[in-house]
Amino acid sequence: QSALTQPASVSGSPGQSITISCTGSSSDVGSYNLVSWYQQHPGKAPKLMIYEVTKRPSGVSNRFSGSRSGNTASLTISGLQAEDEADYHCCSYAGVHVVFGGGTKLTVL
Amino acid sequence: EVQLVQSGAEVKKPGESLRISCKGSGYSFTSHWITWVRQMPGKGLECIGRIDPSDSYTNYSPSFQGHVTISADKSSSTAYLQWSSLKASDTAMYYCARHAYDSSAYSPFDYWGQGTLVTVSS
Repeated sequence: QSALTQPASVSGSPGQSITISCTGSSSDVGSYNLVSWYQQHPGKAPKLMIYEVTKRPSGVSNRFSGSRSGNTASLTISGLQAEDEADYHCCSYAGVHVVFGGGTKLTVL
Repeated sequence: EVQLVQSGAEVKKPGESLRISCKGSGYSFTSHWITWVRQMPGKGLECIGRIDPSDSYTNYSPSFQGHVTISADKSSSTAYLQWSSLKASDTAMYYCARHAYDSSAYSPFDYWGQGTLVTVSS
C-alpha cells in the first residue's frame, strides 16, 4: 500500500489557523472512519491528537479538529501557539494494514 | 498509569541479530494489540506490523514481511521486535504503540513507547 500524501511543511503566526491535508485513496482514507493524527515534537514519541477522523482524546485541546472530504483528511489547528510547533503525521487503516503519511512540519512564525 | 517502556539504544554491525523489547504496565497486557513503527532518520512513520498478545497472532506490513519477527511474552507483559541479520538500512528509531480499544486490531494508537534507536554500521 502507498503512503498517504501530506505537505512537507506548513507555517502560521500565533493566533492564526492552519490546515494540514492528508490525501489517500478509496482504499484507505476514503473507505474507513479510522483516520488518526499524531503530533511529534523533536526527539519525542508521537502523541495521539485526533482519531476516527474527528474525535479528540481526553486532554487534547479543542483547538485541534479533524475532518474528511472524499479521500482527503484534514487536521485544523486554530489559535496557533508556539507549543504547536511539531511534526504531524496522519494515519489510516487500509484493509488489514496501516498506512502513514510522510509527515508535515508545522512552524509557528 | 499505562506505560510502554522500551529497551535501550543498540549499535550493531551488518549481519548481526537483534531483539528489542517493549514492556507494558498499568493495564491488561493481553487485552490490547501492540503495533511496531519504524521512523528512519528525518523521515515519517511506517507501520511494521502488529501482534495480539493474547495469542501472539501477528500481521506484517508487506514491506517488512520476512525481514523482521514480532513476538510477545504474556508472562512478562513484553512485546518484541527482532532481526536475524541486520542491514545498514535498518538504522532507525523503532516505537511500540498500544491499540486503544480492548481486543481490537483496528484502533488508534493511544500510548507509545519512548523509542529504541537502532544503529547498524560496520
